[in-house]
Amino acid sequence: KQEVTQIPAALSVPEGENLVLNCSFTDSAIYNLQWFRQDPGKGLTSLLLIQSSQREQTSGRLNASLDKSSGRSTLYIAASQPGDSATYLCAVRRENAGNMLTFGGGTRLMVKP
Amino acid sequence: DTGVSQDPRHKITKRGQNVTFRCDPISEHNRLYWYRQTLGQGPEFLTYFQNEAQLEKSRLLSDRFSAERPKGSFSTLEIQRTEQGDSAMYLCASSDLGTIYNEQFFGPGTRLTVL
Repeated sequence: KQEVTQIPAALSVPEGENLVLNCSFTDSAIYNLQWFRQDPGKGLTSLLLIQSSQREQTSGRLNASLDKSSGRSTLYIAASQPGDSATYLCAVRRENAGNMLTFGGGTRLMVKP
Repeated sequence: DTGVSQDPRHKITKRGQNVTFRCDPISEHNRLYWYRQTLGQGPEFLTYFQNEAQLEKSRLLSDRFSAERPKGSFSTLEIQRTEQGDSAMYLCASSDLGTIYNEQFFGPGTRLTVL
């Protein structure tokens, strides 16, 4: 059974800091990994998707890396802003296991002005 | 393309009542998924459809839960005889099997509160 863990569970940083969110998964046989953002009481917004054959993806101030063999992914946020405050979720899709996503518990990020 | 929509956005019900939620996927997306998210946790997979066929169901989907996608477009999720433990956010997502990554796009969710 695939298990996804995100560390830390919560993070508070001052505005302008660069930060790293961590995601680990137990089964390396994944098809892809997605990072999502969720604002309180809202749905999920996809930030980045990394295929298993890729090492990283970038979008603006966000950079996600994937080390499939070690079962790890990181989301790097550069020059954090108060508007980045949200919960960040990572999810993996396993190979040959249907199309379901398995999510981590999320990291709640607070960026203080 | 207006994205995935869900209705209602909030539902408060008394224990024992039946509730039904609707999800409209992105137009022409052939896959539709349901997830449940409890407070402070990540979403958990419930079931998914490819067109009108329900292809996979989680063990979380007890006999009180039923999902349909009758014409391969919108989907409904019904919960019978609701329990307080059913209180959660119910999320719907859709994807296009014909794309390379088959990326899932999520709706805003339906927040269910069972009193």
